[in-house]
Amino acid sequence: EDQVTQSPEALRLQEGESSSLNCSYTVSGLRGLFWYRQDPGKGPEFLFTLYSAGEEKEKERLKATLTKKESFLHITAPKPEDSATYLCAVQAEGWGSQKLVFGQGTRLTINP
Amino acid sequence: EPEVTQTPSHQVTQMGQEVILRCVPISNHLYFYWYRQILGQKVEFLVSFYNNEISEKSEIFDDQFSVERPDGSNFTLKIRSTKLEDSAMYFCASSQRDWGDRELFFGEGSRLTVL
Repeated sequence: EDQVTQSPEALRLQEGESSSLNCSYTVSGLRGLFWYRQDPGKGPEFLFTLYSAGEEKEKERLKATLTKKESFLHITAPKPEDSATYLCAVQAEGWGSQKLVFGQGTRLTINP
Repeated sequence: EPEVTQTPSHQVTQMGQEVILRCVPISNHLYFYWYRQILGQKVEFLVSFYNNEISEKSEIFDDQFSVERPDGSNFTLKIRSTKLEDSAMYFCASSQRDWGDRELFFGEGSRLTVL
C-alpha cells in the first residue's frame, strides 16, 4: 500500500531561521511527488512536482529535493507569511492511477 | 487567476439526509476530483472523473456517494444518506491532464457537519 509520512508534525522557527521538512514515502512506482501548502480552513495550494531522484525545484524561499525514498522541503530565511501546513503527496505509476496519497502534513510556524 | 469554486462553504445536516456539494472546476480542465479531510487527519482521495465517467475511486467512495457533471461547468458530489462519520471538509480539484507536470488546483472546500 502506498504510504507517505511527514516529519516533524509541527515546527516552530524564528524569522530567518532556515530548516527542512521531511517526507518519506513508499510507493509501488513513483509517478510524481507533490508539495502543497495549506492555510487554515483553505484548500491545498500547489507548490512543486518532482519526478525522479536527484531532481530539485525552487520557488522563492522554498526548495524541494527528491531521493528514491524521501523528499525534503528546505525553507531558507523564512518569514511569518510562510506559516502554514505543508503537505506532501505521491502519485503512483499505473494505467489510470490518478489519485494522490497525502501525508499528514507539517505545521510550520514562523515567529517574528 | 482561474480558480475552483465550491458551494456551500459550510453545510449542517441531520444524519440520514441527502447532501449535494457543488463545484465549478477551472473551465479548460478535463479531470475532476473529490478529496476529503476529516478534522486533524490526512487529505484522502475519494474519486476522479474524466470524460463523463468515474475513472478511479477509493474504498471510501461506496454506494452512498455519487458524482455527476450535469452541465458543462458544474461537478457535484452527492451523499445519499449521511452518517456522522461523513463530517469532514470536502475539496473539489481539477487539472488539465493526469500526466506530466500535473498541477492539481483545489477549491476552498465545503465543510460538512452531520448531527
